[in-house]
Amino acid sequence: EAEVAQSPRYKITEKSQAVAFWCDPISGHATLYWYRQILGQGPELLVQFQDESVVDDSQLPKDRFSAERLKGVDSTLKIQPAELGDSAMYLCASSSRGGNLDTQYFGPGTRLTVL
Amino acid sequence: AQTVTQSQPEMSVQEAETVTLSCTYDTSESDYYLFWYKQPPSRQMILVIRQEAYKQQNATENRFSVNFQKAAKSFSLKISDSQLGDAAMYFCAYRSGYTNAGKSTFGDGTTLTVKP
Repeated sequence: EAEVAQSPRYKITEKSQAVAFWCDPISGHATLYWYRQILGQGPELLVQFQDESVVDDSQLPKDRFSAERLKGVDSTLKIQPAELGDSAMYLCASSSRGGNLDTQYFGPGTRLTVL
Repeated sequence: AQTVTQSQPEMSVQEAETVTLSCTYDTSESDYYLFWYKQPPSRQMILVIRQEAYKQQNATENRFSVNFQKAAKSFSLKISDSQLGDAAMYFCAYRSGYTNAGKSTFGDGTTLTVKP
């Protein structure tokens, strides 16, 4: 069964350093989501792509976060510089078309610890 | 903006028994979709069940069913014949029916423990 792949699974960094996370959605899925999940809370959408275009990045802290999906397939989320408050699980999800009823398939996440 | 509230941070159930997880939401919209997701420890989040707000009939998926009360803005999940594999964090989520963006708003989750 096809799955959403994410790497790395774990990342430890010091504050002010740059970090990058990678996501490979299920083949053929046009919509890709990046969520941030702080421990003890539900996921919060950071950015949503439809193919290579950003559909929603209203909750993305654009002064330090950036995301790209250049060819409309895999995606990279970058944080520069990392801050202590960025420690969280970063989840990637994909769906076929991004419709309201589409099933979103989640990856295993990248757990980021900022020291 | 829509909000989703899960008032039970933790719940426990005896194996083979039934448990109900609560979820309430706040919205001014009439068209929307509600979801329950399961996030097992160190594993991917997966969809458990979904409900369209325009459908009066409660959704059912095997041992999982919902009690959707639109007027009360309540969407609870019932797990029957609980199994050890049901132990996980459960999230309730809302999606607007007025955009096609698929954006979900999640509650803060309920951790379910299943006792053998």
